[in-house]
Amino acid sequence: DSGVTQTPKHLITATGQRVTLRCSPRSGDLSVYWYQQSLDQGLQFLIQYYNGEERAKGNILERFSAQQFPDLHSELNLSSLELGDSALYFCASSVAATTYGYTFGSGTRLTVV
Amino acid sequence: AQTVTQSQPEMSVQEAETVTLSCTYDTSESDYYLFWYKQPPSRQMILVIRQEAYKQQNATENRFSVNFQKAAKSFSLKISDSQLGDAAMYFCAYRSASGSGNTGKLIFGQGTTLQVKP
Repeated sequence: DSGVTQTPKHLITATGQRVTLRCSPRSGDLSVYWYQQSLDQGLQFLIQYYNGEERAKGNILERFSAQQFPDLHSELNLSSLELGDSALYFCASSVAATTYGYTFGSGTRLTVV
Repeated sequence: AQTVTQSQPEMSVQEAETVTLSCTYDTSESDYYLFWYKQPPSRQMILVIRQEAYKQQNATENRFSVNFQKAAKSFSLKISDSQLGDAAMYFCAYRSASGSGNTGKLIFGQGTTLQVKP
């Protein structure tokens, strides 16, 4: 157990739907990162939050949004889902915004049918 | 923009032997970090080893070591005495350490699948 908790582990949904992925960072970590791992795109950085504020943004689609709450957990919202959104979504956390290394959760496997 | 390239989609090694995974990167920055992550079939991303660009000494973690060639922008991973548990996908990653790019964001290569034969 890495200390970073992601729920749910698996999610199957239909095209056009909306889902929310949840991440609880490791205790004491203030920064949360979201990554998407798909077969054709590899691991792509989506977005980073630090202590509730957006810190960096990657190639995140407009249909996707995220936030970090006062208790530091984060949610990634994916809407108007398409087949191509099927992927493994990872959350990672670190103590500081620019910490040397960080810890990944075990991921949420999203399948859009 | 920085890029990371892993030119070996698949590699195999005999148990107890040594294998080297290749990684090259492109950047105009002088200050950065490089990482190797392991992703076993469980899909968990596990940090294997890391290297600060300003350090000339190659990082070592038990059976894992790197060959960091800054001028050549090369960062290879050597696994000695390979074990069955080393079978996984290995990702090379880059992280900026300077200026506005210093956010903690990782840029990953496409990965190398390592098979370990008994």
